[in-house]
Amino acid sequence: KQEVTQIPAALSVPEGENLVLNCSFTDSAIYNLQWFRQDPGKGLTSLLLIQSSQREQTSGRLNASLDKSSGRSTLYIAASQPGDSATYLCAVKESSGDKLTFGTGTRLAVRP
Amino acid sequence: GAGVSQSPSNKVTEKGKDVELRCDPISGHTALYWYRQSLGQGLEFLIYFQGNSAPDKSGLPSDRFSAERTGGSVSTLTIQRTQQEDSAVYLCASSSDRGGNTIYFGEGSWLTVV
Repeated sequence: KQEVTQIPAALSVPEGENLVLNCSFTDSAIYNLQWFRQDPGKGLTSLLLIQSSQREQTSGRLNASLDKSSGRSTLYIAASQPGDSATYLCAVKESSGDKLTFGTGTRLAVRP
Repeated sequence: GAGVSQSPSNKVTEKGKDVELRCDPISGHTALYWYRQSLGQGLEFLIYFQGNSAPDKSGLPSDRFSAERTGGSVSTLTIQRTQQEDSAVYLCASSSDRGGNTIYFGEGSWLTVV
């Protein structure tokens, strides 16, 4: 059974810092990995999608990497801003099925 | 519509009553998912629809939960004889196919069972 873990569970940084969020998964037979953002009381917003054949994806200040063989992905946020404060979730889609398995998220607070 | 639409956005119901939650996926999306998010918990998979294929119901927690998708578009999640532990946010998502495309979530239906 696929298990997805995110470390740290919570993170507080001053504005302007670069930061890394970690995601690990137990079964490397994945189809893709997706990073989401969730604001309080809201649904999930997709940030980046990495296919299993890819190593990284970039969007603006965000960069996500994937090391499938070691079961790890990182989300790098450059020059953090207070508006980046949210919970960040990673989710993997396995090659054998259609559902996403989610981590429990990292709650990020960026202090002005 | 522009995004995944869910209704009601908030629902308070008495224990033992039935509730129906509705999801309108993005037009043209063939894949539709239901997830549940309890307070302080991660997202729990409930059910997945893909086109005309039989749905993957492996995540439904009990036989009080059921879902259908009519005409390959709108989906309804029904919870019968609600219990307090059913209180959660029910999130619907859709994507354009079963492959590697981005999955888009709705804002969720917040269910409180009192």
